[in-house]
Amino acid sequence: EAQVTQNPRYLITVTGKKLTVTCSQNMNHEYMSWYRQDPGLGLRQIYYSMNVEVTDKGDVPEGYKVSRKEKRNFPLILESPSPNQTSLYFCASSLRLDTEAFFGQGTRLTVV
Amino acid sequence: GENVEQHPSTLSVQEGDSAVIKCTYSDSASNYFPWYKQELGKRPQLIIDIRSNVGEKKDQRIAVTLNKTAKHFSLHITETQPEDSAVYFCAASSSGTYKYIFGTGTRLKVLA
Repeated sequence: EAQVTQNPRYLITVTGKKLTVTCSQNMNHEYMSWYRQDPGLGLRQIYYSMNVEVTDKGDVPEGYKVSRKEKRNFPLILESPSPNQTSLYFCASSLRLDTEAFFGQGTRLTVV
Repeated sequence: GENVEQHPSTLSVQEGDSAVIKCTYSDSASNYFPWYKQELGKRPQLIIDIRSNVGEKKDQRIAVTLNKTAKHFSLHITETQPEDSAVYFCAASSSGTYKYIFGTGTRLKVLA
């Protein structure tokens, strides 16, 4: 089954404790993104990747890192999480930039 | 920077009436305009999309129109049903910036 898989679904952590949210797709998509969803602000792009080893900042990259060592995986890293990073996070992938985006199930992160 | 504005933020219609959601984009290099539906607690899913070389596209009760000169595009839902109640997001992807940017969302309520 074609899908985008994120883990974990829910995470509560403390300020400053490094964490990684994983994202994997099995559709051989080139373009992958991370978004955060906050009430009234929609989906804001954090980072995107055009292909393996090609990543760039989206609109809200501060406090986040990503890597794209393999085509299928695009982890999101929070080196030192802060409470303002409490949000619902979605990973998405698409065959190309100008095609349908498929979303993961979402990760609800709470930083206390 | 590049952005996508979406209006209205909330919309209530009677069952059977039409609903229209409007978006404007700022990046003239944008060439792909998808619409996503997000039901409560679920991930966004594509409902219809349009490319910059097309002015209108229809799929049953849903249609999208694009005005490249004015840089705006709209979603039209006819004969609305209670199951159309959800949050709808417009998006635009740009061949200039390689970003895939979403609007802030419209919460549609269809009243039975």
